[in-house]
Amino acid sequence: GEDVEQSLFLSVREGDSSVINCTYTDSSSTYLYWYKQEPGAGLQLLTYIFSNMDMKQDQRLTVLLNKKDKHLSLRIADTQTGDSAIYFCAVFNDYKLSFGAGTTVTVRA
Amino acid sequence: EAGVTQFPSHSVIEKGQTVTLRCDPISGHDNLYWYRRVMGKEIKFLLHFVKESKQDESGMPNNRFLAERTGGTYSTLKVQPAELEDSGVYFCASSRGTTDEQFFGPGTRLTVL
Repeated sequence: GEDVEQSLFLSVREGDSSVINCTYTDSSSTYLYWYKQEPGAGLQLLTYIFSNMDMKQDQRLTVLLNKKDKHLSLRIADTQTGDSAIYFCAVFNDYKLSFGAGTTVTVRA
Repeated sequence: EAGVTQFPSHSVIEKGQTVTLRCDPISGHDNLYWYRRVMGKEIKFLLHFVKESKQDESGMPNNRFLAERTGGTYSTLKVQPAELEDSGVYFCASSRGTTDEQFFGPGTRLTVL
């Protein structure tokens, strides 16, 4: 099956940029996603990128995809305290999602 | 439009007992998925329903797990008998079409003592 790896923790100062990295193994993935989970809540789709794109920008979020290296990243500009959450990278193929273990982002004042 | 709901939000049971988790998908969504996150690890796919039919149950850990979706509406996931390693958060998701966005519920946190 698909293996998705991401770093487990990230601490960032408020106002700085956060970068969360993810690698995956299956090159046939069609969509790649970033989900956010806040305490007590479900998974919220933050953004996604098609596999034929290199970059997608959506307000403070920038997704970069390097298909050759099978590397996906999420950059959050001007990180705020409300961005503290667990961020999951996920790839879609065979009609299901394969997730990483999640990166816990802590924003400090 | 109501989102995906799951019940209960938390369940604490003893090893050997039975637990049934319920998921109500978004109305009109034919596709329903179950996923599980064991402590600190990745979220893993368990199975996928299209209406009342099991499309893919390749992620079900073993025969102690039984999922149903009678009538193609809500779904239940029964664990019988529960073991310690079944502890985790069970997520349900639904989508209109197979390749459409999956909307997730808040999850059920299961603790087996």
